[in-house]
Amino acid sequence: DAGITQSPRHKVTETGTPVTLRCHQTENHRYMYWYRQDPGHGLRLIHYSYGVKDTDKGEVSDGYSVSRSKTEDFLLTLESATSSQTSVYFCAISGQTHTDTQYFGPGTRLTVL
Amino acid sequence: DAKTTQPNSMESNEEEPVHLPCNHSTISGTDYIHWYRQLPSQGPEYVIHGLTSNVNNRMASLAIAEDRKSSTLILHRATLRDAAVYYCILSSAGNNRKLIWGLGTSLAVNP
Repeated sequence: DAGITQSPRHKVTETGTPVTLRCHQTENHRYMYWYRQDPGHGLRLIHYSYGVKDTDKGEVSDGYSVSRSKTEDFLLTLESATSSQTSVYFCAISGQTHTDTQYFGPGTRLTVL
Repeated sequence: DAKTTQPNSMESNEEEPVHLPCNHSTISGTDYIHWYRQLPSQGPEYVIHGLTSNVNNRMASLAIAEDRKSSTLILHRATLRDAAVYYCILSSAGNNRKLIWGLGTSLAVNP
């Protein structure tokens, strides 16, 4: 299994509070991704990174920010959590080319009350 | 971006072959076809990928139509552990890694 961990694995928070999810990899892969998965929507890309300090938006980036200060860590921040951000969040990594496999972490279940 | 179409659900019996179809009629010449699966309460995992020729690995086989407008993932002998959601996805050099994940096919395997 690819070395990807996510923390925390579960979190319950209240509307309006900031939340940061962490993705850590030990594979030295260049690309890292944050997805959310909701019933009826499948996986949707939030943000991704193609190198240290290089990030780009996905299809559902509103309300989320990311940072990547080291190759191994990719942080997803909800500045002010809303109930619509209740979801399962997956981090993924991949190599240099578009044919490279994406390897996924175990997921973080976030509930915003 | 080219999209894929898969049946919502399929059912199979244990130890029988399973053929999971995927249509991608707007595929471009450089798009790769990827299959992933997601077991319950886990993140997706890679199954197989290909461009034009049929591909085999220890998990499955991928049969790609000659016109590349469709493909089929073949599980040669389904086991209960193969019960999962299977996703067919296209990747291209131009989509900048923004893969489009549909809802996939939910495969049930009967003992």
